[in-house]
Amino acid sequence: AQSVAQPEDQVNVAEGNPLTVKCTYSVSGNPYLFWYVQYPNRGLQFLLKYITGDNLVKGSYGFEAEFNKSQTSFHLKKPSALVSDSALYFCAVRDNTGFQKLVFGTGTRLLVSP
Amino acid sequence: NAGVTQTPKFQVLKTGQSMTLQCAQDMNHNSMYWYRQDPGMGLRLIYYSASEGTTDKGEVPNGYNVSRLNKREFSLRLESAAPSQTSVYFCASSIQNTGELFFGEGSRLTVL
Repeated sequence: AQSVAQPEDQVNVAEGNPLTVKCTYSVSGNPYLFWYVQYPNRGLQFLLKYITGDNLVKGSYGFEAEFNKSQTSFHLKKPSALVSDSALYFCAVRDNTGFQKLVFGTGTRLLVSP
Repeated sequence: NAGVTQTPKFQVLKTGQSMTLQCAQDMNHNSMYWYRQDPGMGLRLIYYSASEGTTDKGEVPNGYNVSRLNKREFSLRLESAAPSQTSVYFCASSIQNTGELFFGEGSRLTVL
């Protein structure tokens, strides 16, 4: 079965520093990977996706993610964190069977301190 | 842009009561979904509707029913609420199964 793991419940980073939120995946066949962000009391918003091609994917709000097939990872990154980036981040993988629905990770809370 | 609209935003029920969560999208999307979000468990799919007229079980369907009323609307019903159904419920939609989902703002349900 397809799955993603987010090993960190919380990531703390100072404003202006680079940030990384980790995600590893397990999937049969080609991986279709996604990152979503959830701000307090809001629904999830799509950030970026990897389907095929370049291993570095650029998304919204200056975020990017690096796909690494050998390490089965899809880490979310940003060169310089902002306090407003503080939110809950979810990694997801598309189930390659049947309807191909999304399977989400448990989420990582990012706290950016001033 | 309304996007995905869920009602109600908050609800408190007693064990055994029933209720329906309503969801509507105005983006002409084919696929719609109901998720629940619980601390430490991420989002889990309850039911989905790949297209108008079809519904299928997701990961945690027990205790729930759904209706895809038309292309715009997808409702979630709890026939006999249980404390284990205390959660935040999210409706989402997508054009097809592209993985790019649009979410509503959530409905916080407490079952006493």
